Amino acid sequence: QSVLTQPPSVSGAPGQRVTISCTGSSSNTGAGYDVHWYQQLPGTAPKLLIYGNSNRPSGVPDRFSGSKSGASASLAITGLQAEDEADYYCQSYDKSLSGSVFGTGTKVTVL
Amino acid sequence: EVQLVESGGGLVQPGRSLRVSCAASGFTFDDYAMHWVRQAPGKGLEWVSGISWNSGTIDYADSVKGRFTISRDNAKNFLYLQMNSLRPEDTALYYCAKGGVIFRLYYYMDVWGKGTTVTVSS
Repeated sequence: QSVLTQPPSVSGAPGQRVTISCTGSSSNTGAGYDVHWYQQLPGTAPKLLIYGNSNRPSGVPDRFSGSKSGASASLAITGLQAEDEADYYCQSYDKSLSGSVFGTGTKVTVL
Repeated sequence: EVQLVESGGGLVQPGRSLRVSCAASGFTFDDYAMHWVRQAPGKGLEWVSGISWNSGTIDYADSVKGRFTISRDNAKNFLYLQMNSLRPEDTALYYCAKGGVIFRLYYYMDVWGKGTTVTVSS
């Protein structure tokens, strides 16, 4: 089961700002391990969106930003667009499980 | 172009075995760790297993430990997942993913394949 907790859904009107939280524990994000974010458009494979808490790969719009404080991380989408409607997952490393862990996933709906 | 292409999925009865493969191209395969991640129908992502660049470190999720075996052939640029004693709850789309940092097993995954579907049912 997922050890990183995300809200099941968030929504916003076009142009608005939405944020997605990702909360872990002392064996993963709280232990200082970085958080990465993926976007999964309907029917497609996940795509790396943010790495190392706040870094954007080449080609990812600067509307997407990430941050981390303690055991919690956040993904923000500003200037929400219809094409941002997708599932978003956070990911980190868990030292107790000795492996990668994903968040529960958040569905973003553009109203 | 960096590319990962999975194959080998299919319908298999509970308790049987199946091997899925991932063909890598467009990058120096033996410099990077590789992972398998699965997604059950309508569910979220679940990390299954990871293997370091030289196969020196291998880890599994508790849900598959003792039943699945990950391996790689750096000469052929292939990643494998041998799945034994399959259960209905193993039904999922299995993705192959490339580690994002050279020689580092755990960090982000920067390239994903399209996945291969495994269905375990009688």
